[in-house]
This record gives sequence, C-alpha cells and structure tokens, in this order.
Amino acid sequence: EAEVAQSPRYKITEKSQAVAFWCDPISGHATLYWYRQILGQGPELLVQFQDESVVDDSQLPKDRFSAERLKGVDSTLKIQPAELGDSAMYLCASSLLAGVLARTDTQYFGPGTRLTVL
Amino acid sequence: AQKITQTQPGMFVQEKEAVTLDCTYDTSDPSYGLFWYKQPSSGEMIFLIYQGSYDQQNATEGRYSLNFQKARKSANLVISASQLGDSAMYFCAMREGFTGNQFYFGTGTSLTVIP
Repeated sequence: EAEVAQSPRYKITEKSQAVAFWCDPISGHATLYWYRQILGQGPELLVQFQDESVVDDSQLPKDRFSAERLKGVDSTLKIQPAELGDSAMYLCASSLLAGVLARTDTQYFGPGTRLTVL
Repeated sequence: AQKITQTQPGMFVQEKEAVTLDCTYDTSDPSYGLFWYKQPSSGEMIFLIYQGSYDQQNATEGRYSLNFQKARKSANLVISASQLGDSAMYFCAMREGFTGNQFYFGTGTSLTVIP
C-alpha cells in the first residue's frame, strides 16, 4: 500500500540551529501539504504545493521557515534558526487531485517528524 | 467563527460498546467534504471515513459510520464494537468547494477504550 514517507521521525536540536525535514508523497499525488501540530491541538497548515508551485504559504513564518518541492515530487521543510516554540509534530500529507472537485480529495498523512528544540 | 467544532475533549467507552464523537461545521458553501482521522500516540494521522455534502446516504467503513445531519451541520463519527486499539485522538476535518485549498481541522477528541 502506498504511503507518505517522512524523515527523520524524531529530531532534537538546540535553539538557533538549523533543521530540515523531508517528505516523499504518494506517487502521482499532485498536492503536498506541510502541517505543524502542537501537542493537544489540531494540525495547522504551513504550506501547500501543487506540483512544484506554492499554492498557500500564508501561515508559514517566512523569516525562519522555508519549503521547496523543486521537481514536484518530494519536498523539504527547513527551519533556520530554530526557536523553543517550534517544538511540535511536523506532518506531511499528499492528495491526488489538483484543484478539481477538491471537496472529495482525501489527504493522506505521513508518520510525522517530532521536533524538540532545547 | 470556527469552521470545525469538536466539543468533547475526552471520551471514555467500554470495550465492545459503541461511541459517538461529535463534530459540527460551519460553511456557506453548498459543496464540501467532511473527513474523520484517527491519530494514535505514534502521531500518524490515519484517514477513517469521508462524507460529501451531496451524498444521500451516511458513509460507512467497517466499524465506522458517519451520522450526517446536513440541516444541523453535524457529522458525528460512530464507532461500533469499540476495541482497545481504538484509543486515540480523533479529528474531524472539512474541505470546501471545488477548489477548496484549505483543510480545516477541529481540535480533536481523545477517546479511551476501557477494558
């Protein structure tokens, strides 16, 4: 069964360091999403790609966060410098459809990267 | 206003019993989709069930069913014959319209199945 892959699963870093997370969506899925989930809350969308283009990055703290999906397949999310408040689960998801009948388009999630900033 | 509201922070259910997790939503778009996800302590979000706004019948997937009451804007998840492995966080989510980019999540309900 096809799955969304993420690495690493766990990351511990010190504040002011740089961290990067990788995501490989389900093959053929045009849309890729990065979410941040703080403990006890629902996921919050950080950035959405359709193929290699950013569709929505309105909630991405652009002073320290960056995301890319250069070839429209896998994606990297970077934080530089990391702050204590960045400690959270970072979830990647993908979906098949690209804007058409979006209401039926299910997102499939990876296992997430749990980030701890010390 | 919140797009998705889950009013039950925590729920308990006896093993083998049924449980209903509440979800209400807010949208003025006639075209939308409703989703339920399960998140175990490992962190992965697992897709459970989908209901479209134009679907005439309530969605069912194995032990999961969705009690869809469109006029009340509610989409409650019913889990029948609860198992210990059902203990997890459950999130309701919605996507609007034909090009709805946003996937709105609720705050979740923590379900504990008691042996």
